Amino acid sequence: NAGVTQTPKFQVLKTGQSMTLQCAQDMNHEYMSWYRQDPGMGLRLIHYSVGAGITDQGEVPNGYNVSRSTTEDFPLRLLSAAPSQTSVYFCASSYSTDINNEQFFGPGTRLTVL
Amino acid sequence: DQQVKQNSPSLSVQEGRISILNCDYTNSMFDYFLWYKKYPAEGPTFLISISSIKDKNEDGRFTVFLNKSAKHLSLHIVPSQPGDSAVYFCAASALYNSGNTPLVFGKGTRLSVIA
Repeated sequence: NAGVTQTPKFQVLKTGQSMTLQCAQDMNHEYMSWYRQDPGMGLRLIHYSVGAGITDQGEVPNGYNVSRSTTEDFPLRLLSAAPSQTSVYFCASSYSTDINNEQFFGPGTRLTVL
Repeated sequence: DQQVKQNSPSLSVQEGRISILNCDYTNSMFDYFLWYKKYPAEGPTFLISISSIKDKNEDGRFTVFLNKSAKHLSLHIVPSQPGDSAVYFCAASALYNSGNTPLVFGKGTRLSVIA
């Protein structure tokens, strides 16, 4: 199993550009989520999904869109990038929302918005 | 309002000694707590967890203690090893009728174990 994969690893955008951060898992996990990590801020939840076709907002959803058309993929879209979205983005997945199911994280995407 | 607080941004410990990382929470509905470990340029990895029905959970060199009345938990690492140098995140979740809430993370504590 590849686990949770994220592409790209690094990305530089200009203000106003749009892009999609890709996340895929091959563990047949129902629950997937996106976090951002900023210095001194820990991990903050952006959006999450409890299954294909179902998404919900987390703590910091503004400026981001998600969709979940398949169990495997959970892309995160930046509609119009802003410098405040400079961060490291982590995708995570687990078998279900049951807390006893370990949540696995991807290696992260480091995004810089100029 | 921060629901999970790790008030020490960093901690430095000598190899072989005990490392104690602390975490406080404000939401009394939280009933499951986890510790994640993160190395640079990698995603966080699960380390150890504890349910609110327990006050202690042990896994090898790692022990987590929970004091519900104080809304406080701590992670003890004994003995500390240089490979333990990483950022440690405390996380919490609450159980409702619809299932567990998404994890809420603290800001993390950077542990440095000095050889």
